[in-house]
Amino acid sequence: NAGVMQNPRHLVRRRGQEARLRCSPMKGHSHVYWYRQLPEEGLKFMVYLQKENIIDESGMPKERFSAEFPKEGPSILRIQQVVRGDSAAYFCASSHDSKTNYGYTFGSGTRLTVV
Amino acid sequence: AQSVSQHNHHVILSEAASLELGCNYSYGGTVNLFWYVQYPGQHLQLLLKYFSGDPLVKGIKGFEAEFIKSKFSFNLRKPSVQWSDTAEYFCAVNPADDYKLSFGAGTTVTVRA
Repeated sequence: NAGVMQNPRHLVRRRGQEARLRCSPMKGHSHVYWYRQLPEEGLKFMVYLQKENIIDESGMPKERFSAEFPKEGPSILRIQQVVRGDSAAYFCASSHDSKTNYGYTFGSGTRLTVV
Repeated sequence: AQSVSQHNHHVILSEAASLELGCNYSYGGTVNLFWYVQYPGQHLQLLLKYFSGDPLVKGIKGFEAEFIKSKFSFNLRKPSVQWSDTAEYFCAVNPADDYKLSFGAGTTVTVRA
């Protein structure tokens, strides 16, 4: 019973390149959340998706960032034209429904380093 | 918007010592409270949670936390730590009817053998 799977674990990109972070939710979970942890800060909510729908992207930067959760396959967080300030740990979580009564199940995170 | 403060950035202690990590939040309404732990190289795991009822909550691995509503606090405790408790600990809060968690900055706990 695999948990939330994120890959890659570590990603290095040069400034201006694109970063694609993948998240496969737990089996049976159709709700996915992305959080970002900047150095010395707590995790910050970015976006909430259900299958094929973005429910809440209030935490996403307005430019260069996008997220999707297609009918088939993992959720993808895409960062275009990365800059040094995008260096962070990106965590994905999934849940069975939109209430957190049971707590999210988080993945191990993807650590993005922009050089 | 709610905010979460964790008092210590890094705590170093010896095995068998007692641990207490502070967490305060700012939000006037009903909240759900969580403590997560991240062991080196692993995913965030839920240690314990509080929704309602007994304000003293027991979690996994001998951890407990106490919700003090008047102080807006949810401190984590363990009477006797082990080397394997070395990890980063995050306090998180969300309004009772919301899915968005607000996290503290985390506390790195290093337990020396």
